[in-house]
Amino acid sequence: QVQLVQSGAEVKKPGASVKVSCKASGYSFIDYDINWVRQTSGQGLEWVGWMNPESGNTASAQKFQGRVTLTADTSISTAYMDLSSLTSDDSAVYFCASGASRAASYPGHWGQGTPVTVSS
Amino acid sequence: ETVMTQSPATLSLSPGERATLSCRASQSVGSSVAWYQQIPGQAPRLLIYGASIRASGIPARFSGSGSGTDFTLSISSLQSEDFAVYYCFQYNNWPPSHTFGQGTKLEIK
Repeated sequence: QVQLVQSGAEVKKPGASVKVSCKASGYSFIDYDINWVRQTSGQGLEWVGWMNPESGNTASAQKFQGRVTLTADTSISTAYMDLSSLTSDDSAVYFCASGASRAASYPGHWGQGTPVTVSS
Repeated sequence: ETVMTQSPATLSLSPGERATLSCRASQSVGSSVAWYQQIPGQAPRLLIYGASIRASGIPARFSGSGSGTDFTLSISSLQSEDFAVYYCFQYNNWPPSHTFGQGTKLEIK
């Protein structure tokens, strides 16, 4: 079955960068889009960005443009989200999610989430 | 950016009752709307895509409707496990510029 396993919790200082990984299994990694979504404590879901692992094409929400880099290593079926210039507002749980089906850009299967804490 | 506005923010109902959740888009998104259920401490779960298509394994009591700017998620007879937070999500844009609604908390009355 489809499984997405994310890297562990991170604690970073303001101004630093964080890189979260998302290892996929149970399906052909290049056939399904990957979305990144975050959730601040007790708050709602916020879409961060999207990538197509086969083409390498990416897109991100306007508020993250210039700060987020989405990549993938297809040889190990792993996607990465790199977020730079962190502030306390970036403290959140970050989820990766694969497309629900081929050519579906909406998330269907989710990772367990990676808590990121930004604190001095 | 397309803004998705959900109402109400909180809905208090009893088991067995019918729930109706609304989502309005700031511009037309066609039928490119999905609904997610999130239980605290868990990842979201896909319920509906294409505005009205139930995802695999989702009970028939969940239904979605709408197109353009107005969308509805209905739960016909609430079960205890349905009390959670629900989010609408639009994926109409290309290149992707997706957005979530702010969520509706469905709580036990």
